[in-house]
Order: sequence, then C-alpha cells, then structure tokens
Amino acid sequence: QKEVEQNSGPLSVPEGAIASLNCTYSDRGSQSFFWYRQYSGKSPELIMFIYSNGDKEDGRFTAQLNKASQYVSLLIRDSQPSDSATYLCAVGGSSNTGKLIFGQGTTLQVKP
Amino acid sequence: GAVVSQHPSWVICKSGTSVKIECRSLDFQATTMFWYRQFPKQSLMLMATSNEGSKATYEQGVEKDKFLINHASLTLSTLTVTSAHPEDSSFYICSARDPGSSTEAFFGQGTRLTVV
Repeated sequence: QKEVEQNSGPLSVPEGAIASLNCTYSDRGSQSFFWYRQYSGKSPELIMFIYSNGDKEDGRFTAQLNKASQYVSLLIRDSQPSDSATYLCAVGGSSNTGKLIFGQGTTLQVKP
Repeated sequence: GAVVSQHPSWVICKSGTSVKIECRSLDFQATTMFWYRQFPKQSLMLMATSNEGSKATYEQGVEKDKFLINHASLTLSTLTVTSAHPEDSSFYICSARDPGSSTEAFFGQGTRLTVV
C-alpha cells in the first residue's frame, strides 16, 4: 500500500465548476497535510496546508481533513482554465522536520 | 516569504561524468534540507534528508555512493550525481524548512538533468 494515494486522473471539469481532489494516507501519526500545484516542468507551489480536522478555506480553495478516515481533500470553486495543472497531496510526519511524502498527483483539466 | 534557490536549472552531461546541484536557502538557515527526484508523469520521490554538519539520511533504494550529499553550511546543500547514466535523467528538486515558519518546506525551482 502506498503511503499517500491519489487518483491520477485526469479529472476534467468545465470552467466555473467545482473540482474535487482527494487523497488518502496510511500513517496515522501524520500531523500536517499540504496541497501543491505543479505545472509541467516547474517546481511545486503550495496551495494550502491543513493541520486540524475540518475545513479550511482560502479564496476559491477549501481543504478538508478527516484524520479518523485518513483522508484529505481539496475543493476548487469556480474552476478556471489556469487551474489546469497537476495537484500533489503531501503528508508530513509527526516530527515536523519538513520531510514530506507525496502522492502521485492528480491532473486537473479545466475546459473553457 | 522564504526563498530556496537551486542551481543550475538544467544541465546536460555525458554518461560517466558527475554533476553537482546546489540548493541554497536565501533568507533563513536550514539545518535540514531534502532532495527529491521526479521522473516524467510521476510524483516527487524523496531521495535523502540532508543534515547540516552530519551525514545525509538516504531513503531505501537510493544509492548513497552514487548520490553524494554535502551540507556544509546552514544555507547550502549540494547533491552530486556521480558517474551519471541516462537512467539518472530526471527532475531533481530540493526543499528546506524555515525553522521560524510553522508551515511548509520551501522548494527550489528544480534542476532538469539530462544524461546523454
């Protein structure tokens, strides 16, 4: 079983729709959870991070965490073509060293 | 925000040669840096944890004698790919955590290595 799992997609949504990206993780001791966006050939850029159960909203993005289910998701409202990218879920361990385990990424395509 | 600079952005080398990649934290001191590798259409795979003043910690399956890591100062870690082969061609990315930040590790811009 992979430590961090994502559906590789591609996930295709029309412009203006809500895109829902999901991630599960295996280590119950994980304390920090991150969503990164990566454009082809570029380094990942942080979209959101979440530490506590529940929802966290930042603009068009909402991260949701359920530690009991070992599940974290990212919702993108009013999706734009510029949101088309690969979204990486990353999980940090209990020691908060900055070490991250990444999922395989979900490719999102937002169609005009 | 904190910045991590990686150099070079891309490099092409011949098989059998060695290549050094630098990762610098520009406005914070990083006792720990991380090196990742990403093959096309795959995710980032952690290769090793670089520890300032001590030996790096390598992930399972990563050859420590092939991927030499040196973290001689609090702002610089280097990854040297020794005796590079075409299968080492990949996107190498470093990251570092700002101890003063409660959030994430910051990523360098990555180095595209092509071994011909």
